[in-house]
Amino acid sequence: ETGVTQSPTHLIKTRGQQVTLRCSSQSGHNTVSWYQQALGQGPQFIFQYYREEENGRGNFPPRFSGLQFPNYSSELNVNALELDDSALYLCASSIGTGELFFGEGSRLTVL
Amino acid sequence: AQSVAQPEDQVNVAEGNPLTVKCTYSVSGNPYLFWYVQYPNRGLQFLLKYITGDNLVKGSYGFEAEFNKSQTSFHLKKPSALVSDSALYFCAVRDLEGYQKVTFGIGTKLQVIP
Repeated sequence: ETGVTQSPTHLIKTRGQQVTLRCSSQSGHNTVSWYQQALGQGPQFIFQYYREEENGRGNFPPRFSGLQFPNYSSELNVNALELDDSALYLCASSIGTGELFFGEGSRLTVL
Repeated sequence: AQSVAQPEDQVNVAEGNPLTVKCTYSVSGNPYLFWYVQYPNRGLQFLLKYITGDNLVKGSYGFEAEFNKSQTSFHLKKPSALVSDSALYFCAVRDLEGYQKVTFGIGTKLQVIP
């Protein structure tokens, strides 16, 4: 079975631009969650998708949005990028209340 | 609201010595608790979890964790540290209400000294 894969691994954007990050969940996992990990911090919950519906959201503004597709893959979109959005973005898939399986992350730098 | 505290930014231990990485939690109901490890510029890897049952749970790479309900703690332990254990360790708790999100601590850097 394949694990969680994320793309791109690294990207550089400028303030005000938009970015889309992609995630393929582990086979059979119907729940995907996204986390932002700033340098020296723990992962902060952005939102979670279950069967293509957002069913939970952390303390992030609406310019952070997402999608989940029928094959359970997912996208994270961030509009109007700010310098503070520079971070490692982690995607995790899971089944029910089990452990999270993480991808390697997408490192976003906003200049 | 649920929360996780990892009181030590860094733990230093000599190779071969036992190690402990501390974690306390706050949650309204019964906790689902996890430990993850992160190597530089990598994603998080699952180590072990406590759902119910024995207070001592065993996980990957020889790690174990002790659940203490009265002290609301879930400390990570290993009898004999390896240099390769040097990494960032995160404690996490899952909320069983609502959409059951997972909340992470700030992380503890473990440095095993040869």
